[in-house]
Amino acid sequence: EAGVTQFPSHSVIEKGQTVTLRCDPISGHDNLYWYRRVMGKEIKFLLHFVKESKQDESGMPNNRFLAERTGGTYSTLKVQPAELEDSGVYFCASSQDLYYNEQFFGPGTRLTVL
Amino acid sequence: AQSVTQLDSQVPVFEEAPVELRCNYSSSVSVYLFWYVQYPNQGLQLLLKYLSGSTLVESINGFEAEFNKSQTSFHLRKPSVHISDTAEYFCAVSKAAGNKLTFGGGTRVLVKP
Repeated sequence: EAGVTQFPSHSVIEKGQTVTLRCDPISGHDNLYWYRRVMGKEIKFLLHFVKESKQDESGMPNNRFLAERTGGTYSTLKVQPAELEDSGVYFCASSQDLYYNEQFFGPGTRLTVL
Repeated sequence: AQSVTQLDSQVPVFEEAPVELRCNYSSSVSVYLFWYVQYPNQGLQLLLKYLSGSTLVESINGFEAEFNKSQTSFHLRKPSVHISDTAEYFCAVSKAAGNKLTFGGGTRVLVKP
């Protein structure tokens, strides 16, 4: 069974540019989460999809961030325009069984905004 | 709101020595507790979790953690570490099944030969 995959693994962009991160969850997992770790700080929750619907987007930092999950499969996280403080590692996770709440994480996308 | 504090950002330890990683949390409601591990260049992997029942939980690779409600702690221990245990360890809580995880700052464990 393939795990959670994320693309790209690294992205270096300039301030003001747009970047789109992609996450493919484990097949059959209805729950998809985005998290972010800014350098030197803790991993923070961004949002949670159940299928294609946003269940909780309380962690989205501002309206420069747009997350979508087309057809309840893969998800994209777009940052437009990117700012320096957006640099960090963006993790995606998925889960199937809500009771046991095991979230399976992808390897992350390291975003550097110059 | 919940918060998680990992008291040690880095823990150097010699191979075959014991290690303890401390985790304290605060929450106004009951929580589920987790330890995740991130090996170099990999994603986070669930190490162990406490949902209910026995307060001592174990992983398949020799780690154990004990939930202490009165001290609001969930410390992680291993009696004898291996070089392969070198990684970053994250303590996390969630207030309900399927909810977002709130993480501590992480503890880097460096196992020396």
